[in-house]
Amino acid sequence: QKEVEQDPGPLSVPEGAIVSLNCTYSNSAFQYFMWYRQYSRKGPELLMYTYSSGNKEDGRFTAQVDKSSKYISLFIRDSQPSDSATYLCAFSMDSSYKLIFGSGTRLLVRP
Amino acid sequence: DTGVSQDPRHKITKRGQNVTFRCDPISEHNRLYWYRQTLGQGPEFLTYFQNEAQLEKSRLLSDRFSAERPKGSFSTLEIQRTEQGDSAMYLCASSLGLAGTDEQYFGPGTRLTVT
Repeated sequence: QKEVEQDPGPLSVPEGAIVSLNCTYSNSAFQYFMWYRQYSRKGPELLMYTYSSGNKEDGRFTAQVDKSSKYISLFIRDSQPSDSATYLCAFSMDSSYKLIFGSGTRLLVRP
Repeated sequence: DTGVSQDPRHKITKRGQNVTFRCDPISEHNRLYWYRQTLGQGPEFLTYFQNEAQLEKSRLLSDRFSAERPKGSFSTLEIQRTEQGDSAMYLCASSLGLAGTDEQYFGPGTRLTVT
């Protein structure tokens, strides 16, 4: 079993739709949960950084962590064509430590 | 502040040649990380530094790979005797190194093609 599972997509949605992106993980030692956005041929850009179970909101983005189910989600409201990118979930066992990434979900928002 | 920078952005080399990449972290960031990303995959951890000390190396980092951060500022990653399997995007990230919450910020990456 892989440590992190993430559907590669692509996920295609119309502009304005609510997008739901998900990752499952198997390592109970993961304590920090992140979402990065990566445009083609660019470096990953940090979107959300959370520590505890529950929800965290930042503008159109909401990160959700369920430690009991080992499941994290990223919701994007009012999606825009500029949101078209690959979204990577990432995990860490400690605050200043290496990240373990999912393989990424490719999102396409159609105008 | 301009974020994490990496140089070169692209490198094409022939198999067997040596290559060196440079990473300049965000100023005052004590931690510096190297990752490798292949097509369709997420980044994979290679190694990281706390100031000038290299604290951990992944088993992905074979003897042909060496990383340094001589003065605790910029870092270099050298690959000796490159192989076609080394073709990938090499990403550098930096963080403040704080306990509690410590966000890693990535550079644009160096894309290596070994022919």
